[in-house]
Amino acid sequence: QSALTQPASVSGSPGQSITISCTGTSSDVGRYNYVSWYQQHPGEAPKLMIYDVSNRPSGVSARFSGSKSGNTASLTISGLQAKDEADYYCSSYTFSSTLVFGGGTKLTVL
Amino acid sequence: EVQVVESGGGFVQPGRSLRLSCVASGFTFDDYAMHWVRQAPGKGLEWVSGISWNSGKIGYADSVKGRFTISRDNAKNSLYLQMDSLRLDDTALYYCAKDGSNWNEYFHHWGQGTLVTVSS
Repeated sequence: QSALTQPASVSGSPGQSITISCTGTSSDVGRYNYVSWYQQHPGEAPKLMIYDVSNRPSGVSARFSGSKSGNTASLTISGLQAKDEADYYCSSYTFSSTLVFGGGTKLTVL
Repeated sequence: EVQVVESGGGFVQPGRSLRLSCVASGFTFDDYAMHWVRQAPGKGLEWVSGISWNSGKIGYADSVKGRFTISRDNAKNSLYLQMDSLRLDDTALYYCAKDGSNWNEYFHHWGQGTLVTVSS
C-alpha cells in the first residue's frame, strides 16, 4: 500500500491555472477510474472536489477539473483565487480492494 | 443535510484499547460504505479502514491490520472502530467519512474528527 506520489508544493498567481499531479501504478490509478481529489484548509476537515477522475460534486466550482493518463491523475484549478490556497490530496482505489492517498500538495497563491 | 459525528477519542497508553464511534444522519445509512481516515499531527491523510453497506466487504490498511476492527450497526446509523494494541504512531485525528457508493470509491462527506493520543 504505497502512497501515491504528489509534488510537495505548487504555486500560482491569482487568475492563473495550476495543475497538481498524482502518480500511482498499474495496480491503482492506472487500473481504475476511482481517483478522487480533496481540498483541506488548515484546521478543517477535507472536502471532496473531484470523484471518479473527472466528476465534480454539487457545489464545487467548475474551475476545478480532473483527468487521468496512464498511471497519473491530475487536478487543474483555473482562474486561481486566494481562497484556493490549501492542501490537496488525491486518492485511488487499489487492486487490493483498499484505498490509498497521495502525500498531499500545498498550494500557495502568490 | 448529511452529518457524521465522531466520538470516543482520548488519551491512552501504548498497548491499550480504544473504541471510536460515528453517528450518521441526513442520508440512508445502509445504502453507503463508510470509512475511517486518520491524520497524524502535521501529516497527510491515511485511509485506515472501510466497510461496505452490508458489512460484506471490509478492508484495512496494512498499518492497522490485525489490531483494528471496523464494524457498523445500520439500525443505529452508527460506525465503529475498535482499536487494540495501540502504538505511539497511531496518534492522530480520526475522521469518519461517508462513501459515495456502497463500497470503496471516494469520501463524500467527512466529520470533524476525534483526536486519539497514544502516549506513556
